[in-house]
Amino acid sequence: AQKITQTQPGMFVQEKEAVTLDCTYDTSDPSYGLFWYKQPSSGEMIFLIYQGSYDQQNATEGRYSLNFQKARKSANLVISASQLGDSAMYFCAMRGGSYIPTFGRGTSLIVHP
Amino acid sequence: GAVVSQHPSRVICKSGTSVKIECRSLDFQATTMFWYRQFPKQSLMLMATSNEGSKATYEQGVEKDKFLINHASLTLSTLTVTSAHPEDSSFYICSARETSGNSYEQYFGPGTRLTVT
Repeated sequence: AQKITQTQPGMFVQEKEAVTLDCTYDTSDPSYGLFWYKQPSSGEMIFLIYQGSYDQQNATEGRYSLNFQKARKSANLVISASQLGDSAMYFCAMRGGSYIPTFGRGTSLIVHP
Repeated sequence: GAVVSQHPSRVICKSGTSVKIECRSLDFQATTMFWYRQFPKQSLMLMATSNEGSKATYEQGVEKDKFLINHASLTLSTLTVTSAHPEDSSFYICSARETSGNSYEQYFGPGTRLTVT
């Protein structure tokens, strides 16, 4: 069974500062993928970043980077230089061999001007 | 990137009626589509996995006779909420996994907000 844990229900950050959103996971699959999605108030799920379990390097996509620590089973999302438009719900998800994704409970991020 | 559409985006229906929600992959073929339900300020809950040409696989606790899923083609899956009740009011999101290409890519539709009065 797969499990994703996001322990931060809400986070606040000042505009232009960096913020880290926590995600830990548990799985028995030897090969898996980790994802982060952004969900603004409109409801659409926006794919941000992906990390494969065998990837040696941490994934980066523009201002987003994934701090992947396999031994600790953590996949934290780092957003650099926060913008007001970054205010949204953020979901961590994983997918194992079954290709069926499991989502965490989400973290609400509010960026203050 | 690939696009998934959902129709309608919002629907209000009366208790006891049925509602059909369509999920389409616009520029790619999707062997597998997923249907999720999301309550306010909560996570996405997987309802069922829909495979083209075969019966959907429902998650535990999801009534398959109430939530009918049909995946008749590689670009279309439908979710029909039968005999809807106010407790079925929710945000329903579909996602599609591309048949070819990067196997990890999963594309989400914009969601359908269902309100049952």
